[in-house]
Amino acid sequence: AQSVTQLDSQVPVFEEAPVELRCNYSSSVSVYLFWYVQYPNQGLQLLLKYLSGSTLVKGINGFEAEFNKSKTSFHLRKPSVHISDTAEYFCAVTLSPYNQGGKLIFGQGTELSVKP
Amino acid sequence: GAVVSQHPSWVICKSGTSVKIECRSLDFQATTMFWYRQFPKQSLMLMATSNEGSKATYEQGVEKDKFLINHASLTLSTLTVTSAHPEDSSFYICSASHTGELFFGEGSRLTVL
Repeated sequence: AQSVTQLDSQVPVFEEAPVELRCNYSSSVSVYLFWYVQYPNQGLQLLLKYLSGSTLVKGINGFEAEFNKSKTSFHLRKPSVHISDTAEYFCAVTLSPYNQGGKLIFGQGTELSVKP
Repeated sequence: GAVVSQHPSWVICKSGTSVKIECRSLDFQATTMFWYRQFPKQSLMLMATSNEGSKATYEQGVEKDKFLINHASLTLSTLTVTSAHPEDSSFYICSASHTGELFFGEGSRLTVL
């Protein structure tokens, strides 16, 4: 079975500082990886995804993530955060693309709090 | 991107009553929709996969008689929480697949008094 672990439940950071949100996964087979952002009382918005190819994935809002197969990690990074980046971030994994019936397994979430 | 809309956004009901939450794909057809439940400060837990024209597939531990799912058309799936109790209070989120990507609704917050 697959599982996802987000190593930090809360990450406080000052505005314009860099940030890394950590995600590790467990699976005996190849997986597809995703990062989502959730603002208060809203649904989820896709930040970026890794399906295949280059291990460095760039997403929206200046975020990027690097897939490391040997370390089974998919950490999310941003070189300079803004107050508006304050939100909950979820890492997720699936065995197959959505159009093949893939179900997402989510991590516990990391609350990013950007302070002025 | 594609839009998935949920209604209502907020609902408060008395214990013992039933509540229906709608999930619509506004600009695409979705043969499969997913229903998630999220407790405060926790992750999303998949409850069931809703398939158009057939029975939903429930995850282990989810009571299918408690959480009725109907996917009668390619743009609408409904989740009915039957005989709701305070422990059913939660944030319910649906999602639908389109062109290989999953799009999420805004979520529906249910409070059972």
